[in-house]
Amino acid sequence: NAGVTQTPKFRVLKTGQSMTLLCAQDMNHEYMYWYRQDPGMGLRLIHYSVGEGTTAKGEVPDGYNVSRLKKQNFLLGLESAAPSQTSVYFCASRTAGRENIQYFGAGTRLSVL
Amino acid sequence: GESVGLHLPTLSVQEGDNSIINCAYSNSASDYFIWYKQESGKGPQFIIDIRSNMDKRQGQRVTVLLNKTVKHLSLQIAATQPGDSAVYFCAGPEGYNFNKFYFGSGTKLNVKP
Repeated sequence: NAGVTQTPKFRVLKTGQSMTLLCAQDMNHEYMYWYRQDPGMGLRLIHYSVGEGTTAKGEVPDGYNVSRLKKQNFLLGLESAAPSQTSVYFCASRTAGRENIQYFGAGTRLSVL
Repeated sequence: GESVGLHLPTLSVQEGDNSIINCAYSNSASDYFIWYKQESGKGPQFIIDIRSNMDKRQGQRVTVLLNKTVKHLSLQIAATQPGDSAVYFCAGPEGYNFNKFYFGSGTKLNVKP
């Protein structure tokens, strides 16, 4: 099982450039999440989705957009990258029901110069 | 506001000793907590979870203790091994919203041979 796969693993952007991070899960999970992780801080939720075609804002949504056109994919977009968006981004997914365990991808390290 | 955090940024233990990693939370309504392990360059990995109707739960070499009176939980790792070296953090939901988790900043466990 691949689990949760994130692409790319690394990326360097210049300020103002745009990019899309892709998250794919093969566990048939209903819920998917995008987090950012900064040094000395816990994971912070950017956006999440409770099902295909639905998205919702998390704790730090500004500067990001997301789409969930297919159940297995959750895309995170940066329309105009800023240095403050330099971070490690993690995608996670979980099934509906009583199990609340989120399964994480390996992360994407993004640097914005 | 609500928060989930960890007491110590780093913890060094001798191989074979027991490790205790602590976490405090502020939301009395929290019903559920998870411990994650994050190795360098990887995504968080589920270790063990506990619901508020329990004060102790055991897994393989790990035990989580929950003290609701002082809003504190701890992760105990028995016979710590070099492979246990990682960052450990606790997470709890925003009230009963299991789509919004607060993550602690983590304790880095160093295991000395």
